[in-house]
Amino acid sequence: GAVVSQHPSRVICKSGTSVKIECRSLDFQATTMFWYRQFPKQSLMLMATSNEGSKATYEQGVEKDKFLINHASLTLSTLTVTSAHPEDSSFYICSARTTGGNSPLHFGNGTRLTVT
Amino acid sequence: AQSVAQPEDQVKVAEGNPLTVKCTYSVSGNPYLFWYVQYPNRGLQFLLKYITGDNLVKGSYGFEAEFNKSQTSFHLKKPSALVSDSALYFCAVRAPRLNDYKLSFGAGTTVTVRA
Repeated sequence: GAVVSQHPSRVICKSGTSVKIECRSLDFQATTMFWYRQFPKQSLMLMATSNEGSKATYEQGVEKDKFLINHASLTLSTLTVTSAHPEDSSFYICSARTTGGNSPLHFGNGTRLTVT
Repeated sequence: AQSVAQPEDQVKVAEGNPLTVKCTYSVSGNPYLFWYVQYPNRGLQFLLKYITGDNLVKGSYGFEAEFNKSQTSFHLKKPSALVSDSALYFCAVRAPRLNDYKLSFGAGTTVTVRA
């Protein structure tokens, strides 16, 4: 149980275009989802917290107009990288929590974004 | 603010030998502690957690971790490592605040188990 599906796994786009990444909880309802960014051989950096039906909460230094997050249902959150540039190339990972205060986060398999 | 330190970038052991991956934490109050493992180009897989109770926590794939409050540590251990345990391991901490589920991750430790 507690499977999180992230799509696409890899995407290559041209500079200036936008890319949408989907994160779905397949067998549970996720009231809260988190979006992380991971640089090579580095830890995960929390970008934003996404709550179903409300605006995402962004971490300091993360541009909300560049990284648009939508959490329209209890099983789907999307991250859109708008007007992507090569410096946005990274590994993006979503995670979701099930109900229950102490339940661990469950992670998607990540999306490798390459902006050319 | 909460934080986690993983003092070793890399740990190398021979197959069959014990494996230890170190983690220390800093948080206000009693911590919620987690270990995750990441394989190349994949997301993180949950291994185990400490919330309360016994200091020795048993998790997936034969891993265990010991919570030590006086040393603010939560080291991950496996008595007999396998080549398939080679991966990137993350320790994470969460503050015990209601409705605050954000995790802070350590920098990660790359484990290499040689045959």
